[in-house]
Amino acid sequence: DAGITQSPRHKVTETGTPVTLRCHQTENHRYMYWYRQDPGHGLRLIHYSYGVKDTDKGEVSDGYSVSRSKTEDFLLTLESATSSQTSVYFCAISESTRGGTEAFFGQGTRLTVV
Amino acid sequence: AQTVTQSQPEMSVQEAETVTLSCTYDTSENNYYLFWYKQPPSRQMILVIRQEAYKQQNATENRFSVNFQKAAKSFSLKISDSQLGDTAMYFCASLNTGFQKLVFGTGTRLLVSP
Repeated sequence: DAGITQSPRHKVTETGTPVTLRCHQTENHRYMYWYRQDPGHGLRLIHYSYGVKDTDKGEVSDGYSVSRSKTEDFLLTLESATSSQTSVYFCAISESTRGGTEAFFGQGTRLTVV
Repeated sequence: AQTVTQSQPEMSVQEAETVTLSCTYDTSENNYYLFWYKQPPSRQMILVIRQEAYKQQNATENRFSVNFQKAAKSFSLKISDSQLGDTAMYFCASLNTGFQKLVFGTGTRLLVSP
């Protein structure tokens, strides 16, 4: 268990409102990721972080921003939510162990923009 | 660019038979990992198998094995003696060991029938 918690688990919001999703980890992992999952598109990388205040864009970063002011928290913000951002959002961390590198995922957040 | 392509949206197999899921990838890195993840209806992401690019030997995990063709940038998953519990979405992924950018394919939905 990599100790990853996403909050909230479910959210319904109105078009045009700001939304922040939180990913919290308890194991001091350096690398963290935000994905969205949509039918037919798999998991698409939104942003990722390779350290405190070190982030980079993924393939679908438009309309999203992130912040990582401390190791344990990686925040994803939709500045002005649109219906196209209705999706399931996953946070992940990658961890290197003796057995090799592996990614661990949070439980997902279902976001509906109405 | 770092990309992962899964060309089979859906596959079906009968219980106890063997099935192979295809994956191709592209990366400019020399050091990377490749993964297959399973996602059952619970949405949990479960690591099935991983392969380190510098290892020539194909990884195996019980009924799961891969055919890693580095020059062709191909990474297929073979499931032997398929079981009903193997029914799930399967995602292929690549992780570059530099900044550890983790990218997924669009997934293959596998249905195992009695």
